[in-house]
Amino acid sequence: GAVVSQHPSWVICKSGTSVKIECRSLDFQATTMFWYRQFPKQSLMLMATSNEGSKATYEQGVEKDKFLINHASLTLSTLTVTSAHPEDSSFYICSALDRGPGSTQYFGPGTRLLVL
Amino acid sequence: GNSVTQMEGPVTLSEEAFLTINCTYTATGYPSLFWYVQYPGEGLQLLLKATKADDKGSNKGFEATYRKETTSFHLEKGSVQVSDSAVYFCALLNFGNEKLTFGTGTRLTIIP
Repeated sequence: GAVVSQHPSWVICKSGTSVKIECRSLDFQATTMFWYRQFPKQSLMLMATSNEGSKATYEQGVEKDKFLINHASLTLSTLTVTSAHPEDSSFYICSALDRGPGSTQYFGPGTRLLVL
Repeated sequence: GNSVTQMEGPVTLSEEAFLTINCTYTATGYPSLFWYVQYPGEGLQLLLKATKADDKGSNKGFEATYRKETTSFHLEKGSVQVSDSAVYFCALLNFGNEKLTFGTGTRLTIIP
């Protein structure tokens, strides 16, 4: 199946700093990627849809100035958590949409963020 | 709107037992249906999918059949292994709306 990578897999940062997470589709081009957040023992919460060459579309309640998304190429989307605070600590997962027959989202391995 | 209702967990089974995790959906049109699996500390992996009615998705001994008449996509495996312990998510994707709608997830634990 298609492969999506995320980097870093783990990050620990101080409160007030910014953290960038990369999401790459390794063997297909993805004009659309998605960013999710997952709390312990819960399902995934969609944060935003990232579209190559255009602005991201954020879900209701997600602060666009807090979670900056850039989709600069057909294989890379980045999520920057700006001025991170402890409540931003979470597991962030991206996915990339493969528009081949029967569109399918393929997920990255996730990034665990801990803000101290 | 779209919704997915999934069997609540946790589910605990003995090795080699038969597994069923129920999933039903509500959607307009003809969605594609998916099962994803999440192992501890990892992202989601696509387990199987079906894109139209009566399709059967299968992978690693797991199967699910797209039943339009009952709006269901139940996951089954004939003989589970300890390595199948994970959280399983049922999801749908409607053509034209690229967002996945997830169920709440079912945590499966297999004991030796």
